Amino acid sequence: GAVVSQHPSWVICKSGTSVKIECRSLDFQATTMFWYRQFPKQSLMLMATSNEGSKATYEQGVEKDKFLINHASLTLSTLTVTSAHPEDSSFYICSARNPRYFYEQYFGPGTRLTVT
Amino acid sequence: KQEVTQIPAALSVPEGENLVLNCSFTDSAIYNLQWFRQDPGKGLTSLLLIQSSQREQTSGRLNASLDKSSGRSTLYIAASQPGDSATYLCAVAGGTSYGKLTFGQGTILTVHP
Repeated sequence: GAVVSQHPSWVICKSGTSVKIECRSLDFQATTMFWYRQFPKQSLMLMATSNEGSKATYEQGVEKDKFLINHASLTLSTLTVTSAHPEDSSFYICSARNPRYFYEQYFGPGTRLTVT
Repeated sequence: KQEVTQIPAALSVPEGENLVLNCSFTDSAIYNLQWFRQDPGKGLTSLLLIQSSQREQTSGRLNASLDKSSGRSTLYIAASQPGDSATYLCAVAGGTSYGKLTFGQGTILTVHP
């Protein structure tokens, strides 16, 4: 199946700093990528839809100024958590939609963010 | 608003048993339905995708069915193995090819030797 990578796989940062997470589709061009957040023992919550060359669409309740999304190319989307706080600690997962196969979504391995 | 429910929340079976995981959704106007597997601390692995016009898909020991009119899907796992232990998530995509995925809460499966 298609491969989506995320970097870093885990990161620890201090409160008040910013952290950037990268999501790459390795073997197909993805005009649309998605960012999810997952708390322990819970399902995935969609944060935003990232569209190549345009502004991201955020879900209700997600602060767009805190979670900056950039989709500058057909294979790369980035999520920047600005002025991170301990409550931002979570597992962040991206996915990319493959237009060549019924728009099936392929997920990255996730990034564990811990804010101290 | 689409809602996806998975039953049971957890399931523990002995190795070798055949088992069924259930998924129901409230809005039948879906584009496709996907079943995923998630191991602890890991991302999601796509298992099967069923288009809205299809009734079932098979991959190895896995078979997924879709009854769009009743808003139900099942994932059948044959001859379960300890390596099948994971959380299984069902997700439906909205009514167009641009539809977002809505996830169920998942079923935690444990297959013991």
